[in-house]
Amino acid sequence: LAKTTQPISMDSYEGQEVNITCSHNNIATNDYITWYQQFPSQGPRFIIQGYKTKVTNEVASLFIPADRKSSTLSLPRVSLSDTAVYYCLVGPSLNTGTASKLTFGTGTRLQVTL
Amino acid sequence: GAVVSQHPSWVICKSGTSVKIECRSLDFQATTMFWYRQFPKQSLMLMATSNEGSKATYEQGVEKDKFLINHASLTLSTLTVTSAHPEDSSFYICSASGGAPGRTDTQYFGPGTRLTVL
Repeated sequence: LAKTTQPISMDSYEGQEVNITCSHNNIATNDYITWYQQFPSQGPRFIIQGYKTKVTNEVASLFIPADRKSSTLSLPRVSLSDTAVYYCLVGPSLNTGTASKLTFGTGTRLQVTL
Repeated sequence: GAVVSQHPSWVICKSGTSVKIECRSLDFQATTMFWYRQFPKQSLMLMATSNEGSKATYEQGVEKDKFLINHASLTLSTLTVTSAHPEDSSFYICSASGGAPGRTDTQYFGPGTRLTVL
C-alpha cells in the first residue's frame, strides 16, 4: 500500500486559502488520490478524489502534478468550521471491481482562527 | 447520497459483556464494508474487511474471535466485541463501498460508535 506524508499541523486565519500538500512517492498506476476531513468524535467525511491534473468540487480543489507523486488539497477562504484533521490517502484503485483497503496516515490537523 | 449510519452512537458496558455495533448503508448497496478503530489523538486503524456473504478478512494483530464481523446483507454489517475489556474502549468506525454515487469503490464512513468498557 502506498504511504503518504503530510504536515502534522497547519494554522490559518479565517478567510484565507489553505493548501495542504501530500507526498505519495510510490503511488501505483491504478491508484486514485482521496482526501477526507474528520472532526473530533465523527467519522471521516469524503472531500474530493482525483487521478491526475485538477479536480474541483463545491468545497475544494485537488491539484495533482503529472508525475502524481504528490497532491495538494486547496480549501478556498476557510472558516472556523474547517478546523479538523485532513487525511490524504492513496486508493482505491481503478477498475478493481471491489473496494481496496485504505491506509490512514497521521493526517494534517488544521486550526483556523479569527 | 452515500449515507452510512452506525448504531449505537455510544455505548457503555461492563467488563466481560459483549457489545454489538451495526453499520448500515442507507441509500446504496455496499458490497464491501470496513471496520476501523481509532484511539484518542490517533489515526484510524483498519481492523477488518468484510464482503457481503463471505467471511471477514482481519488485519494482522486483530483477534477474529474477539471482534466478530457479520456482513449478512448488502446494507448491513455488524461488529460484535465479545467479552469486552477496558482496553477495548475506543471509537469504532465503519465504512461502506460499492454502488454509491460517483466511483463505485470509494469508501463512505459512518459517524462512529464510542465504546467505553468499565
